[in-house]
Amino acid sequence: GQNIDQPTEMTATEGAIVQINCTYQTSGFNGLFWYQQHAGEAPTFLSYNVLDGLEEKGRFSSFLSRSKGYSYLLLKELQMKDSASYLCAVRAPNAGKSTFGDGTTLTVKP
Amino acid sequence: NAGVTQTPKFRVLKTGQSMTLLCAQDMNHEYMYWYRQDPGMGLRLIHYSVGEGTTAKGEVPDGYNVSRLKKQNFLLGLESAAPSQTSVYFCASRQATGGYEQYFGPGTRLTVT
Repeated sequence: GQNIDQPTEMTATEGAIVQINCTYQTSGFNGLFWYQQHAGEAPTFLSYNVLDGLEEKGRFSSFLSRSKGYSYLLLKELQMKDSASYLCAVRAPNAGKSTFGDGTTLTVKP
Repeated sequence: NAGVTQTPKFRVLKTGQSMTLLCAQDMNHEYMYWYRQDPGMGLRLIHYSVGEGTTAKGEVPDGYNVSRLKKQNFLLGLESAAPSQTSVYFCASRQATGGYEQYFGPGTRLTVT
């Protein structure tokens, strides 16, 4: 099975940097996703890590350590529009299924 | 391209009633998924399909049935709705190979009274 843990809530200040952690224990692993979900909307894709290391994409970066079962999403230069839920998801080897964590609700304050 | 669309957007059912949720995608994706999302929780997989004519159970399949008669459509049925099925339902699709990210529809908000 899959077990994915993320903090439930985080608060940060506009312009700051925030790191959202995700730990996982899985019976199989083919990659890790991060999705962003604004309240009342559908999730949208942010990043996908397969190999260890840091992937940078604009203000957002995602890190993976497969040996530690650990990932984080780093958001720089926070903006008010970054207030959302951030979902970590692990892709299983079979049939492309992904298991989602419960999400971290980030609130950005002025 | 419309991407992934879902019908209806909102629905209220009484316990015991049945309904079908429709998901359609115009991206020629092989894989399609149905999730439910309860308040404060992540997405839980109900059923999925890896191609036309195929379906498989996810984490929480009880009380739901699905069909994939055409590649672009994935239907989710509730035969006898229960209050525990009150939730937001998301459909998603993705390519079979290459880009593994899922593209989500806007969701259907279902209330069972």
